[in-house]
Amino acid sequence: AQRVTQPEKLLSVFKGAPVELKCNYSYSGSPELFWYVQYSRQRLQLLLRHISRESIKGFTADLNKGETSFHLKKPFAQEEDSAMYYCALNQGAQKLVFGQGTRLTINP
Amino acid sequence: NAGVMQNPRHLVRRRGQEARLRCSPMKGHSHVYWYRQLPEEGLKFMVYLQKENIIDESGMPKERFSAEFPKEGPSILRIQQVVRGDSAAYFCASSPLDRGGYGYTFGSGTRLTVV
Repeated sequence: AQRVTQPEKLLSVFKGAPVELKCNYSYSGSPELFWYVQYSRQRLQLLLRHISRESIKGFTADLNKGETSFHLKKPFAQEEDSAMYYCALNQGAQKLVFGQGTRLTINP
Repeated sequence: NAGVMQNPRHLVRRRGQEARLRCSPMKGHSHVYWYRQLPEEGLKFMVYLQKENIIDESGMPKERFSAEFPKEGPSILRIQQVVRGDSAAYFCASSPLDRGGYGYTFGSGTRLTVV
């Protein structure tokens, strides 16, 4: 079954420190993965997609098929990065499977 | 462009009542998706609709839940005879394409509380 696992419900780092939010998936086909972010009092929004291999707000995520992971990384955390982060897998047929989310807090 | 509009933002219903949740997609988007988020869980797919058609309702509970997206007006998620376990945040997303996740725009959600 397709599944997305975010092992950390809460993650707290200091400003300027590196950040890594973990995401593992299980999927039998060729996965299409996304990271979504929800800032306080705002709606869920797409942060980045693995197929575009882009860097958004300093975040990057590399798909590792061998480890079935799609971890989100940023070398230097900023206070405005505090938010809920969701990893999601395109299940096909227009459906997304979401992880449980990780609440990232950046301490000053 | 106001984005995806969901209303109400908060809805309180007593057990046994009906809940109606509305979603107006972004202008130009003809694909609507509903997701439910139970406390402490991730978003779970419920249903995918296009105008006047239910394309995939594999995530909908078999009873009491229904969804529609009429030719005119918003998409409606309807929950009949609500129970405490229906308390959750319900999110709607729309997209101009039929590829899940790509081009999704989410609404702010409706938080349903059943008392």
